[in-house]
Amino acid sequence: QVQLVESGGGVVQPGGSLRLSCAASGFMFSKYGLHWVRQAPGKGLEWVAVILYDGKNIYYRDAVKGRFTISRDNSKNTVYLQMNSLKVEDTAVYYCAKDSLEEAAGTNSFDYWGQGTLVTVSS
Amino acid sequence: DVQLTQSPSTLSASIGDRVTITCRASQSIRRWLTWYQQKPGKAPKLLIYETSFLQDGVPSRFSGSGSGTEFTLTISSLQPDDFATYYCQQFSDFPTFGQGTRLEIK
Repeated sequence: QVQLVESGGGVVQPGGSLRLSCAASGFMFSKYGLHWVRQAPGKGLEWVAVILYDGKNIYYRDAVKGRFTISRDNSKNTVYLQMNSLKVEDTAVYYCAKDSLEEAAGTNSFDYWGQGTLVTVSS
Repeated sequence: DVQLTQSPSTLSASIGDRVTITCRASQSIRRWLTWYQQKPGKAPKLLIYETSFLQDGVPSRFSGSGSGTEFTLTISSLQPDDFATYYCQQFSDFPTFGQGTRLEIK
């Protein structure tokens, strides 16, 4: 069965860095886009970034451009989110989510999600 | 960015009720709309994709309809397991979500 397991969250000061990982299993990892979606405490869902199946097409929401970097290692079935210059407003649970369509040129529904990892940015 | 507005923000209903949640888009998204259910402390769960297609394993009491800028999620007969928060999401452009509708027990 499909599993996505995030790790790497924690408490960091403003301006600091964290690297999140999402280990995937149960599907052909190299054929699917992978997303990061976040949810601030008590708030709604917010898409953060996607890396398409080819690893070449990458997109970010404006608020994280230049600070966050998404990458994937198909040999390890893992997607990463490097977060630099963190701000208090980046505090959230970060979910890894799998795109629903194989070898898709764009984004689609998210058919599987991890359990999330909490990132807290606070002084 | 495409903005999605859900209504109502909170909905109180009883077991067996038929309920409808609306999602309006700021511009046409054709049928590129998804619905998710989220329970406290859990990840969202995909219910309906491309407006009206039921994800495998989702009960048939859930249904979706719409096109363009107006969409609805209907639960035909509420069950205890359905009390949760529901989000719509569009993928006509970079993904965006509605603000959520909390479905609570009356």
